[in-house]
Amino acid sequence: DAKTTQPPSMDCAEGRAANLPCNHSTISGNEYVYWYRQIHSQGPQYIIHGLKNNETNEMASLIITEDRKSSTLILPHATLRDTAVYYCIVSALNNNDMRFGAGTRLTVKP
Amino acid sequence: DTGVSQNPRHKITKRGQNVTFRCDPISEHNRLYWYRQTLGQGPEFLTYFQNEAQLEKSRLLSDRFSAERPKGSFSTLEIQRTEQGDSAMYLCASSGDLFNTEAFFGQGTRLTVV
Repeated sequence: DAKTTQPPSMDCAEGRAANLPCNHSTISGNEYVYWYRQIHSQGPQYIIHGLKNNETNEMASLIITEDRKSSTLILPHATLRDTAVYYCIVSALNNNDMRFGAGTRLTVKP
Repeated sequence: DTGVSQNPRHKITKRGQNVTFRCDPISEHNRLYWYRQTLGQGPEFLTYFQNEAQLEKSRLLSDRFSAERPKGSFSTLEIQRTEQGDSAMYLCASSGDLFNTEAFFGQGTRLTVV
């Protein structure tokens, strides 16, 4: 069973920031928050991960609340190619059994 | 090397037949994973290899499923006596070290059992 809760769908205007929320109230101290995305007809793609500090890379930013019970993935300037299903996962670092939930279907509109 | 390769991309089979899928991981990746994905759901873990050793198997992997990775290179996933419930996308991923930040997925094999 997935340990996260995400809205099933969201829309975002092209060029605007997309903020994707995730609740993970039962996260353990050794578990990280990971984000993957899956574009139609492709396999999942790693985006970013974090433990408790906010993280940023070339794709996105990850904001984790101080109590670690929720997080937000931010795509700063969404493009049409960012339309995908976004998965929020909590997992220990060396876990080989990543549990994907149903994710959030993000649609970026022109 | 352009990434994880899976063959075939699509497979239609009659119920009761056996099917085999192949996954060629990224060269030098010693870890290989199989996942299954049904429509509208996220991928579900099936099994994991480190080199040629199969180290983890999900309870989803019934007796009809078997996976191999001879010589620690490519891997095969076989489903015997297929059932309609086996219809899904079968995804393979590989990583050189940790799955969580370094795994790369193939495009999957879509199985339809009729």
